[in-house]
Amino acid sequence: AQSVTQLDSHVSVSEGTPVLLRCNYSSSYSPSLFWYVQHPNKGLQLLLKYTSAATLVKGINGFEAEFKKSETSFHLTKPSAHMSDAAEYFCVVSENTGFQKLVFGTGTRLLVSP
Amino acid sequence: GAGVSQSPSNKVTEKGKDVELRCDPISGHTALYWYRQSLGQGLEFLIYFQGNSAPDKSGLPSDRFSAERTGGSVSTLTIQRTQQEDSAVYLCASSYQTGGTYEQYFGPGTRLTVT
Repeated sequence: AQSVTQLDSHVSVSEGTPVLLRCNYSSSYSPSLFWYVQHPNKGLQLLLKYTSAATLVKGINGFEAEFKKSETSFHLTKPSAHMSDAAEYFCVVSENTGFQKLVFGTGTRLLVSP
Repeated sequence: GAGVSQSPSNKVTEKGKDVELRCDPISGHTALYWYRQSLGQGLEFLIYFQGNSAPDKSGLPSDRFSAERTGGSVSTLTIQRTQQEDSAVYLCASSYQTGGTYEQYFGPGTRLTVT
């Protein structure tokens, strides 16, 4: 079975500083990987996805992630944090079961201070 | 256009009662998914529909849980004889088709509290 591990439950940054949310995956073959964001009392929103095309994936709101097979990592980054980035972020892998069955990490809560 | 909608947004029920949670997917989306988000278990897959059939029910935690989808559109998740451990946010998602290239769009969820 495929899985993802989010290495930090909480990350705190100051507004304007870089963001790094770490994710490692476990898969026996080339996986489909995603980052979703969940703002308080709102639904999950897809930030970006990797499906075996370019290893550097750009998403919405200035976020990007790099697929590194040698490190089995898919870390999420943003050059400059904004207050509106404060939310819960989920690293997700899709199991190869014939349909897109999403397996979620435990989440990282991003706190942004002024 | 309209996104995925779920009703009710909040449901408080007594232990032992049955509850029905409803999901209206995006029009034209053939694939529909239910997930559960709870403090102890995080976000977990429950069931997947392709059209009206459910090829994968592997995530349903017990036989008290069932789901159906009618007309390839609206889906209902039913929990019978609710238990306190069923308290969670139940999320529904839909996609145009299934597969890695199709984004799943999530609804706002139904927060279920079993007292």
